[in-house]
Amino acid sequence: QQQVKQSPQSLIVQKGGISIINCAYENTAFDYFPWYQQFPGKGPALLIAIRPDVSEKKEGRFTISFNKSAKQFSLHIMDSQPGDSATYFCAAQAPDSWGKLQFGAGTQVVVTP
Amino acid sequence: DAGVIQSPRHEVTEMGQEVTLRCKPISGHDYLFWYRQTMMRGLELLIYFNNNVPIDDSGMPEDRFSAKMPNASFSTLKIQPSEPRDSAVYFCASTPTPREQFFGPGTRLTVL
Repeated sequence: QQQVKQSPQSLIVQKGGISIINCAYENTAFDYFPWYQQFPGKGPALLIAIRPDVSEKKEGRFTISFNKSAKQFSLHIMDSQPGDSATYFCAAQAPDSWGKLQFGAGTQVVVTP
Repeated sequence: DAGVIQSPRHEVTEMGQEVTLRCKPISGHDYLFWYRQTMMRGLELLIYFNNNVPIDDSGMPEDRFSAKMPNASFSTLKIQPSEPRDSAVYFCASTPTPREQFFGPGTRLTVL
């Protein structure tokens, strides 16, 4: 069973709009929560990551919000652009996992012009 | 830096044939991961290595799959015999620390 549950499965947003992707987890031992971005025909690439001692992290138009008590975290893409059209994966990692990442199922984001 | 290199990029084979996928991690990266990606199952971790030693192969679907890392700059994932349900994109990723993983471009495998 997936240890990280991601929603929605797909998302269509207009250019300039906000894309929001949500993830939930159960394992309270997780201490690292990255988001990966994957373009068609490419491998996933790290976009932004957060640790549970921080409630929010922002890099450019991308923001992670983290709610430790609810065991949820989300990715917000502000001012979405057509170039942001990709599949986004949330993930989580425990400190004793030798680098093993638990990936969510992925969200396909399409930004229309 | 060239990044993670995978070969071949595309492989088409017939059921029952042996398939070998290759990966060259980024120099200096001690961790290497093999993933399989399908529409139905998403990204699945198959096996990972630390300093060329397999740490966890619990994700390998069955005995037809095997992986080796004979040295720090080369790893293989072998499927023998291949089946149509093995059709997927296979990714190799490496990292110097157990945090950010750097993915290769993937090998698209089609088993007819």
